[in-house]
Amino acid sequence: GAVVSQHPSWVICKSGTSVKIECRSLDFQATTMFWYRQFPKQSLMLMATSNEGSKATYEQGVEKDKFLINHASLTLSTLTVTSAHPEDSSFYICSARGGASGDPWGYEQYFGPGTRLTVT
Amino acid sequence: DAKTTQPTSMDCAEGRAANLPCNHSTISGNEYVYWYRQIHSQGPQYIIHGLKNNETNEMASLIITEDRKSSTLILPHATLRDTAVYYCIARGTGTASKLTFGTGTRLQVTL
Repeated sequence: GAVVSQHPSWVICKSGTSVKIECRSLDFQATTMFWYRQFPKQSLMLMATSNEGSKATYEQGVEKDKFLINHASLTLSTLTVTSAHPEDSSFYICSARGGASGDPWGYEQYFGPGTRLTVT
Repeated sequence: DAKTTQPTSMDCAEGRAANLPCNHSTISGNEYVYWYRQIHSQGPQYIIHGLKNNETNEMASLIITEDRKSSTLILPHATLRDTAVYYCIARGTGTASKLTFGTGTRLQVTL
């Protein structure tokens, strides 16, 4: 249980185009979803936190107009990288968390398998 | 959330126990200690977490010192598939809590 999926697993796009990454919680309702970015040989960096039906909260230094996050349902969040450039090439990982403790999957964060974005 | 400190890398022979230390000297009373690992090019995998008591599950054991300033993750019989980066994270409770990753420990299990 507590499975989080991401689609696509990898994508190559041309500079200037936009790319959408989907994150789904398959067997639980995710009241909160997190988006992380990971550059080669570095740790995961939190980009933003989103609660279902609310606007995302972005970490300092993350451009909200460039990384559009939508969390329209309890099982789906999307990250759109707008006008992508080569420096946006990275491994994007989403994480989902259920409701309060007492829910079947408690209050833990579960991670998706990641999406590797390459911008040429 | 409290900062954690881990060694950059460790080696372990296959079949032996891997003991991964973590310092969290500024941890507050309501912060849990979480351990995740990340195998190359995959998303992080939850291992175990605890507050002050030692914990054990099918993957590992977590030993937390009495003063809670440090902890050790124990993989009892390491295999090659346990080669990964292991992250120790202090996380509070509440809706605003989130997992913030440090640099972790790169564990290399060898034959």
